[in-house]
Amino acid sequence: EAGVAQSPRYKIIEKRQSVAFWCNPISGHATLYWYQQILGQGPKLLIQFQNNGVVDDSQLPKDRFSAERLKGVDSTLKIQPAKLEDSAVYLCASSLDVAGVRDEQFFGPGTRLTVL
Amino acid sequence: AQSVTQPDIHITVSEGASLELRCNYSYGATPYLFWYVQSPGQGLQLLLKYFSGDTLVQGIKGFEAEFKRSQSSFNLRKPSVHWSDAAEYFCAVAWYSSASKIIFGSGTRLSIRP
Repeated sequence: EAGVAQSPRYKIIEKRQSVAFWCNPISGHATLYWYQQILGQGPKLLIQFQNNGVVDDSQLPKDRFSAERLKGVDSTLKIQPAKLEDSAVYLCASSLDVAGVRDEQFFGPGTRLTVL
Repeated sequence: AQSVTQPDIHITVSEGASLELRCNYSYGATPYLFWYVQSPGQGLQLLLKYFSGDTLVQGIKGFEAEFKRSQSSFNLRKPSVHWSDAAEYFCAVAWYSSASKIIFGSGTRLSIRP
């Protein structure tokens, strides 16, 4: 079974530029998550989708971050404009929608963003 | 407030030695508990989880963890580590509610001494 795919793997931009990340979850997984992992910290949930609806975006900085999952499959996360503190690894994960928070989340390899 | 603490930032053990990684959580309700491993350049992989029942849970790669309610702890153990176990380990907690999400600890980096 194919895992969660993310691209690009690495991205370097200057502050105030925009950037977009793409995620393709495991086939059949209804729930998709975007996490931000700053160096030396654990992942922090930015947004959770169930199919193409938003379940939780309470920790998404909505003035600069946006995410969509238009057809309930692939998802994109965008930052515009980027700040230095956005330097982090952005992880995408997916899970079946069977047992809520108890469902196993499967993680992609992440996109490492460096903002100069 | 709900939180997860991994007090050890970095641990080094010799190959073949036993391992225990510590995890403590706050908040009174019975939690759902997880341990994930992250190898360099890879995503997180679930090692084991606890929801209810037997407080000693077995996971993949020879790992186990024990839930101790009185200590609010969920420590990860392995009797004999291998060089391939070198990685970052994250404890994570969730609490039952309609709006629950997983909260991750800050991680413990494990190095293996040959």
